Amino acid sequence: LAKTTQPISMDSYEGQEVNITCSHNNIATNDYITWYQQFPSQGPRFIIQGYKTKVTNEVASLFIPADRKSSTLSLPRVSLSDTAVYYCLVGDSNYQLIWGAGTKLIIKP
Amino acid sequence: NAGVTQTPKFRILKIGQSMTLQCAQDMNHNYMYWYRQDPGMGLKLIYYSVGAGITDKGEVPNGYNVSRSTTEDFPLRLELAAPSQTSVYFCASSYANGPPTPTGELFFGEGSRLTVL
Repeated sequence: LAKTTQPISMDSYEGQEVNITCSHNNIATNDYITWYQQFPSQGPRFIIQGYKTKVTNEVASLFIPADRKSSTLSLPRVSLSDTAVYYCLVGDSNYQLIWGAGTKLIIKP
Repeated sequence: NAGVTQTPKFRILKIGQSMTLQCAQDMNHNYMYWYRQDPGMGLKLIYYSVGAGITDKGEVPNGYNVSRSTTEDFPLRLELAAPSQTSVYFCASSYANGPPTPTGELFFGEGSRLTVL
């Protein structure tokens, strides 16, 4: 099972672009990369998923280099409401996912 | 659609008591999961189900039991509650139509906070 390594915490300011990088050196061929967001006292919420290159949706972009050993979640123009814990996960099925402690992102005014 | 509904939201148990956490989804998802989350930690998978009548153990199944008699419901039973089971429990569901596609986006309930004293 692939494990991921991501920063424990990050700070940024409103209006900035935030990039959170995740390392997954042992990613398998069939594994996808998925990011979730969790607010206090709530269940995680899906942000984005990708396999290779770049994926973009209405809230974030996911950049995956050719070797797939890392990925970067990019949040454009963050606001205070983006303060949350962000989880990077790799796997080909949800029941194989290993949830680390995630990255605690704090957005300051 | 209500999504994933968990009850109760809060519960205090005494050591040795038993209880059932209820989970229901109305999205016709084939996969359902139970996780626990301790403070400052990530989620740990307790049990999951790939369809009605099929359940399997996750990472931390000891002390828990599940059943999946219908597509919609996936209750989690705690037998002989222990302080180590004090945690927040999340139920989730997802849909997948099989490999090679991954098992879809997880939809979580609001959680059930359990304290065992």
